[in-house]
Amino acid sequence: DGGITQSPKYLFRKEGQNVTLSCEQNLNHDAMYWYRQDPGQGLRLIYYSQIVNDFQKGDIAEGYSVSREKKESFPLTVTSAQKNPTAFYLCATYQVGGYPNTGELFFGEGSRLTVL
Amino acid sequence: EDKVVQSPLSLVVHEGDTVTLNCSYEVTNFRSLLWYKQEKKAPTFLFMLTSSGIEKKSGRLSSILDKKELFSILNITATQTGDSAVYLCAVEPSTLGRLYFGRGTQLTVWP
Repeated sequence: DGGITQSPKYLFRKEGQNVTLSCEQNLNHDAMYWYRQDPGQGLRLIYYSQIVNDFQKGDIAEGYSVSREKKESFPLTVTSAQKNPTAFYLCATYQVGGYPNTGELFFGEGSRLTVL
Repeated sequence: EDKVVQSPLSLVVHEGDTVTLNCSYEVTNFRSLLWYKQEKKAPTFLFMLTSSGIEKKSGRLSSILDKKELFSILNITATQTGDSAVYLCAVEPSTLGRLYFGRGTQLTVWP
Protein backbone atom coordinates (compact mmCIF):
# COMPACT_ATOMS: atom_id res chain seq x y z
CA ASP A 1 0.00 0.00 0.00
CA GLY A 2 1.20 3.50 -0.78
CA GLY A 3 1.37 5.81 2.16
CA ILE A 4 3.20 7.30 5.08
CA THR A 5 4.24 5.24 8.07
CA GLN A 6 5.02 6.85 11.38
CA SER A 7 6.43 4.95 14.31
CA PRO A 8 6.04 4.49 17.12
CA LYS A 9 2.38 5.47 17.50
CA TYR A 10 2.79 6.00 21.23
CA LEU A 11 6.00 6.79 23.06
CA PHE A 12 6.84 7.58 26.64
CA ARG A 13 10.07 9.15 27.64
CA LYS A 14 11.69 10.43 30.78
CA GLU A 15 12.85 13.99 31.04
CA GLY A 16 16.37 14.48 29.73
CA GLN A 17 16.18 11.70 27.15
CA ASN A 18 16.36 12.17 23.42
CA VAL A 19 13.84 10.31 21.30
CA THR A 20 13.59 9.76 17.55
CA LEU A 21 10.30 9.53 15.67
CA SER A 22 10.34 7.70 12.37
CA CYS A 23 8.58 8.76 9.18
CA GLU A 24 8.78 6.62 6.05
CA GLN A 25 6.93 7.20 2.78
CA ASN A 26 6.55 5.23 -0.43
CA LEU A 27 4.60 7.87 -2.32
CA ASN A 28 7.77 9.07 -4.05
CA HIS A 29 7.01 12.61 -2.90
CA ASP A 30 9.82 15.12 -2.86
CA ALA A 31 8.88 17.19 0.17
CA MET A 32 8.41 16.02 3.74
CA TYR A 33 7.26 17.88 6.84
CA TRP A 34 7.01 17.53 10.59
CA TYR A 35 4.17 19.23 12.43
CA ARG A 36 3.40 19.39 16.11
CA GLN A 37 -0.18 19.52 17.43
CA ASP A 38 -1.14 20.42 20.99
CA PRO A 39 -4.70 20.12 22.40
CA GLY A 40 -6.91 22.86 21.03
CA GLN A 41 -4.15 24.07 18.76
CA GLY A 42 -3.57 23.91 15.07
CA LEU A 43 -0.56 22.31 13.44
CA ARG A 44 2.75 24.08 13.88
CA LEU A 45 5.64 23.41 11.53
CA ILE A 46 8.84 22.08 13.08
CA TYR A 47 11.05 21.26 10.08
CA TYR A 48 10.59 20.57 6.40
CA SER A 49 12.65 19.19 3.55
CA GLN A 50 11.99 19.68 -0.13
CA ILE A 51 14.92 17.62 -1.38
CA VAL A 52 17.30 14.98 -0.11
CA ASN A 53 20.18 16.27 2.03
CA ASP A 54 18.48 19.62 2.57
CA PHE A 55 16.00 20.84 5.18
CA GLN A 56 14.73 24.09 6.67
CA LYS A 57 13.55 25.17 10.09
CA GLY A 58 9.88 25.81 10.56
CA ASP A 59 8.26 27.98 13.19
CA ILE A 60 9.18 25.93 16.28
CA ALA A 61 12.46 24.16 15.46
CA GLU A 62 14.19 24.77 18.79
CA GLY A 63 14.88 21.52 20.60
CA TYR A 64 14.36 19.38 17.52
CA SER A 65 16.63 17.99 14.82
CA VAL A 66 16.07 16.15 11.53
CA SER A 67 17.94 14.47 8.72
CA ARG A 68 17.04 13.66 5.12
CA GLU A 69 19.55 11.14 3.86
CA LYS A 70 17.01 9.28 1.74
CA LYS A 71 13.97 10.46 -0.17
CA GLU A 72 11.77 7.98 1.67
CA SER A 73 12.79 8.87 5.21
CA PHE A 74 12.63 11.98 7.40
CA PRO A 75 13.23 11.13 11.07
CA LEU A 76 12.65 13.69 13.80
CA THR A 77 14.69 13.73 17.00
CA VAL A 78 13.18 15.40 20.03
CA THR A 79 16.11 16.43 22.16
CA SER A 80 16.33 17.14 25.87
CA ALA A 81 16.54 20.82 24.95
CA GLN A 82 12.85 20.80 23.99
CA LYS A 83 11.19 22.21 27.09
CA ASN A 84 7.68 20.88 26.56
CA PRO A 85 7.84 17.90 24.21
CA THR A 86 4.58 16.20 25.15
CA ALA A 87 2.47 16.51 22.01
CA PHE A 88 1.08 14.78 18.93
CA TYR A 89 3.55 14.74 16.04
CA LEU A 90 2.43 14.49 12.43
CA CYS A 91 4.60 13.76 9.42
CA ALA A 92 3.39 14.85 6.00
CA THR A 93 4.50 14.70 2.39
CA TYR A 94 3.89 16.82 -0.69
CA GLN A 95 4.58 16.24 -4.35
CA VAL A 96 6.31 19.33 -5.69
CA GLY A 97 5.08 20.13 -9.18
CA GLY A 98 3.09 16.93 -9.40
CA TYR A 99 0.04 16.62 -11.64
CA PRO A 100 -2.69 17.11 -10.73
CA ASN A 101 -1.21 19.39 -8.13
CA THR A 102 -3.96 19.87 -5.62
CA GLY A 103 -1.64 21.48 -3.10
CA GLU A 104 -2.63 18.72 -0.75
CA LEU A 105 -0.47 17.48 2.08
CA PHE A 106 -0.63 13.77 2.80
CA PHE A 107 -0.40 12.91 6.49
CA GLY A 108 0.80 9.94 8.46
CA GLU A 109 -1.22 8.61 11.39
CA GLY A 110 0.89 10.48 13.92
CA SER A 111 3.03 9.72 16.95
CA ARG A 112 1.94 10.69 20.42
CA LEU A 113 4.85 11.50 22.71
CA THR A 114 4.42 11.75 26.46
CA VAL A 115 7.19 12.92 28.74
CA LEU A 116 6.93 11.52 32.25
CA GLU B 1 3.58 37.70 10.72
CA ASP B 2 1.44 35.27 8.77
CA LYS B 3 -1.69 34.30 10.56
CA VAL B 4 -4.76 32.08 10.14
CA VAL B 5 -7.74 32.56 12.46
CA GLN B 6 -10.69 30.18 12.64
CA SER B 7 -14.04 30.75 14.29
CA PRO B 8 -15.82 29.50 16.19
CA LEU B 9 -13.31 27.33 18.03
CA SER B 10 -16.08 25.01 19.15
CA LEU B 11 -19.58 24.32 17.90
CA VAL B 12 -22.29 21.91 19.06
CA VAL B 13 -25.31 21.22 16.85
CA HIS B 14 -27.98 18.58 16.31
CA GLU B 15 -28.26 16.30 13.35
CA GLY B 16 -29.86 18.03 10.40
CA ASP B 17 -28.58 21.47 11.28
CA THR B 18 -26.52 23.54 8.84
CA VAL B 19 -23.21 24.95 10.04
CA THR B 20 -20.81 27.57 8.73
CA LEU B 21 -17.18 27.56 9.75
CA ASN B 22 -15.03 30.63 9.22
CA CYS B 23 -11.40 31.15 8.36
CA SER B 24 -9.65 34.49 7.97
CA TYR B 25 -6.03 34.90 7.04
CA GLU B 26 -3.13 37.26 6.62
CA VAL B 27 -0.42 35.68 4.50
CA THR B 28 2.24 37.19 2.33
CA ASN B 29 2.08 36.05 -1.29
CA PHE B 30 -1.06 33.94 -1.00
CA ARG B 31 -1.15 30.84 -3.15
CA SER B 32 -4.03 28.68 -1.86
CA LEU B 33 -6.30 27.93 1.09
CA LEU B 34 -7.04 24.38 2.15
CA TRP B 35 -9.60 22.75 4.42
CA TYR B 36 -8.93 19.50 6.27
CA LYS B 37 -11.05 17.27 8.49
CA GLN B 38 -9.38 15.63 11.48
CA GLU B 39 -11.38 12.95 13.26
CA LYS B 40 -8.83 11.17 15.38
CA LYS B 41 -5.35 11.21 13.98
CA ALA B 42 -4.37 12.18 10.45
CA PRO B 43 -6.13 15.15 8.84
CA THR B 44 -7.89 14.31 5.60
CA PHE B 45 -8.09 16.72 2.70
CA LEU B 46 -11.41 18.37 1.86
CA PHE B 47 -10.87 21.31 -0.48
CA MET B 48 -8.26 23.55 -2.00
CA LEU B 49 -9.30 27.07 -3.03
CA THR B 50 -7.27 29.43 -5.13
CA SER B 51 -9.77 31.76 -6.80
CA SER B 52 -12.35 34.07 -5.30
CA GLY B 53 -16.01 33.40 -5.73
CA ILE B 54 -15.78 29.86 -7.06
CA GLU B 55 -17.58 27.42 -4.83
CA LYS B 56 -16.09 24.00 -4.30
CA LYS B 57 -18.65 21.34 -3.44
CA SER B 58 -18.50 17.75 -2.29
CA GLY B 59 -21.76 16.21 -1.19
CA ARG B 60 -23.08 18.18 1.80
CA LEU B 61 -19.87 20.18 2.14
CA SER B 62 -19.07 23.32 0.24
CA SER B 63 -16.50 26.07 0.53
CA ILE B 64 -15.79 29.44 -0.99
CA LEU B 65 -12.94 31.93 -0.87
CA ASP B 66 -12.95 35.73 -0.81
CA LYS B 67 -9.43 36.94 -1.62
CA LYS B 68 -10.40 40.59 -1.30
CA GLU B 69 -11.69 40.24 2.26
CA LEU B 70 -9.17 37.45 3.05
CA PHE B 71 -11.52 34.80 4.34
CA SER B 72 -13.10 31.50 3.52
CA ILE B 73 -16.15 29.64 4.79
CA LEU B 74 -16.90 25.95 4.98
CA ASN B 75 -20.58 25.01 4.95
CA ILE B 76 -21.98 21.68 6.02
CA THR B 77 -25.67 21.10 5.37
CA ALA B 78 -27.88 18.44 6.97
CA THR B 79 -25.16 17.56 9.47
CA GLN B 80 -24.69 13.97 10.62
CA THR B 81 -22.94 12.53 13.66
CA GLY B 82 -20.14 11.43 11.34
CA ASP B 83 -19.36 15.07 10.67
CA SER B 84 -18.10 15.42 14.24
CA ALA B 85 -14.43 16.33 13.92
CA VAL B 86 -11.93 19.15 14.06
CA TYR B 87 -11.96 21.18 10.86
CA LEU B 88 -8.64 22.79 10.04
CA CYS B 89 -8.06 25.70 7.74
CA ALA B 90 -4.60 26.17 6.25
CA VAL B 91 -3.07 28.73 3.95
CA GLU B 92 -0.22 28.13 1.57
CA PRO B 93 2.06 31.05 0.71
CA SER B 94 4.37 31.07 -2.25
CA THR B 95 6.75 28.51 -0.68
CA LEU B 96 5.23 25.34 -2.06
CA GLY B 97 3.76 22.96 0.47
CA ARG B 98 4.50 25.04 3.51
CA LEU B 99 1.13 25.56 5.16
CA TYR B 100 0.07 27.81 8.03
CA PHE B 101 -2.74 26.25 10.04
CA GLY B 102 -5.45 27.79 12.16
CA ARG B 103 -6.38 26.34 15.56
CA GLY B 104 -9.30 24.47 14.10
CA THR B 105 -13.02 24.33 14.83
CA GLN B 106 -14.21 21.43 16.98
CA LEU B 107 -17.62 20.43 15.59
CA THR B 108 -19.82 18.10 17.62
CA VAL B 109 -23.04 16.81 16.09
CA TRP B 110 -25.54 15.26 18.49
CA PRO B 111 -28.06 12.69 17.29
